Amino acid sequence: RKEVEQDPGPFNVPEGATVAFNCTYSNSASQSFFWYRQDCRKEPKLLMSVYSSGNEDGRFTAQLNRASQYISLLIRDSKLSDSATYLCVVNRPGANNLFFGTGTRLTVIP
Amino acid sequence: NAGVTQTPKFRVLKTGQSMTLLCAQDMNHEYMYWYRQDPGMGLRLIHYSVGEGTTAKGEVPDGYNVSRLKKQNFLLGLESAAPSQTSVYFCASSFGGPQHFGDGTRLSIL
Repeated sequence: RKEVEQDPGPFNVPEGATVAFNCTYSNSASQSFFWYRQDCRKEPKLLMSVYSSGNEDGRFTAQLNRASQYISLLIRDSKLSDSATYLCVVNRPGANNLFFGTGTRLTVIP
Repeated sequence: NAGVTQTPKFRVLKTGQSMTLLCAQDMNHEYMYWYRQDPGMGLRLIHYSVGEGTTAKGEVPDGYNVSRLKKQNFLLGLESAAPSQTSVYFCASSFGGPQHFGDGTRLSIL
């Protein structure tokens, strides 16, 4: 079983739509969770950390469900510039390493 | 603020040749990482370092060696390049939380 699993997509949505991505992780002892964004042929960049109580950054909302080992990212009012691959990232317990999901590809259509 | 800098950006090698990829960070981070990213595979950890003079194996270490003689630098070596090592290589650094990435090295082995 993979450490982090994501639906690869692609998700094709019109501008202004709301879209949600989900991710599951296998190790219940993981404590740190992140969403990264990766544009085509570019490096991954931190989008936001995910906190137990859920957190919001502008149009982006991240939630964590520890009981189900499930992380989500909600994007409201999608922009063309949101088109990218979104990586779900979970720490490896007991080590300063991260596990990266294979990513969910989003295309926002005019 | 340069962040994480990788050199070179692109390289083409012949099978059996050797080369070294350099990663430099100016954020005084303790932890540094080397990943490879292949289509459909996501980011896979090759080697990492938790401090100057230390290195450890990641998920896919075979065929690679690393050195961390200075805190700010992390070198990745290929002693005898193989076509299976054709990939995009990313370096990252952190204080132990989210990682900051360089912009990658595209390596082709013919």
